[in-house]
Amino acid sequence: KAGVTQTPRYLIKTRGQQVTLSCSPISGHRSVSWYQQTPGQGLQFLFEYFSETQRNKGNFPGRFSGRQFSNSRSEMNVSTLELGDSALYLCASSMGQTNTGELFFGEGSRLTVL
Amino acid sequence: GDSVTQMEGPVTLSEEAFLTINCTYTATGYPSLFWYVQYPGEGLQLLLKATKADDKGSNKGFEATYRKETTSFHLEKGSVQVSDSAVYFCALSEGTNAGKSTFGDGTTLTVKP
Repeated sequence: KAGVTQTPRYLIKTRGQQVTLSCSPISGHRSVSWYQQTPGQGLQFLFEYFSETQRNKGNFPGRFSGRQFSNSRSEMNVSTLELGDSALYLCASSMGQTNTGELFFGEGSRLTVL
Repeated sequence: GDSVTQMEGPVTLSEEAFLTINCTYTATGYPSLFWYVQYPGEGLQLLLKATKADDKGSNKGFEATYRKETTSFHLEKGSVQVSDSAVYFCALSEGTNAGKSTFGDGTTLTVKP
């Protein structure tokens, strides 16, 4: 069974640009969550999508957005990049319902903003 | 809101030493509790879990018991190996909604031969 796949793995952008990250969940998983990981803040929850609807949202500015497609693949977008957006962005998938809460993570997309 | 507090690191041990990483939580309901491990350059992977009070999760020699009375889920291993060197995260999720899990800050473990 293929795991969670994130693309791209590494990317470098400059301030003011925008970026789109992609996540393909494990087959059959309907929930996709996004987390930002930084050395100073640890793992911060961005948002979760379930059946193409945003089900939960963390405390991030509106520059961070996401969506989910009918095949459960998800994208997140960050507009007007700031230096502080440099981080490892982790995607995680889960069944979404009737499960015990286990998340399956991808390897992450490492974003560097210059 | 929910929160998870885990022992600050880094932790450095010699091979075959005993490991304990403390984790306490605050939650409004009856959460499921998890330990995830992150090896260098990789995403997180589930190490073990417990879904109700007094449950013991175990995997690869690691154990943790869900203690509702002390709101704790401490990770233990009797004899660590160099290959256990990684970052360990304690986490919780409420009900069936795993998507919005709450994580501790992570504890870096280094095991020296």
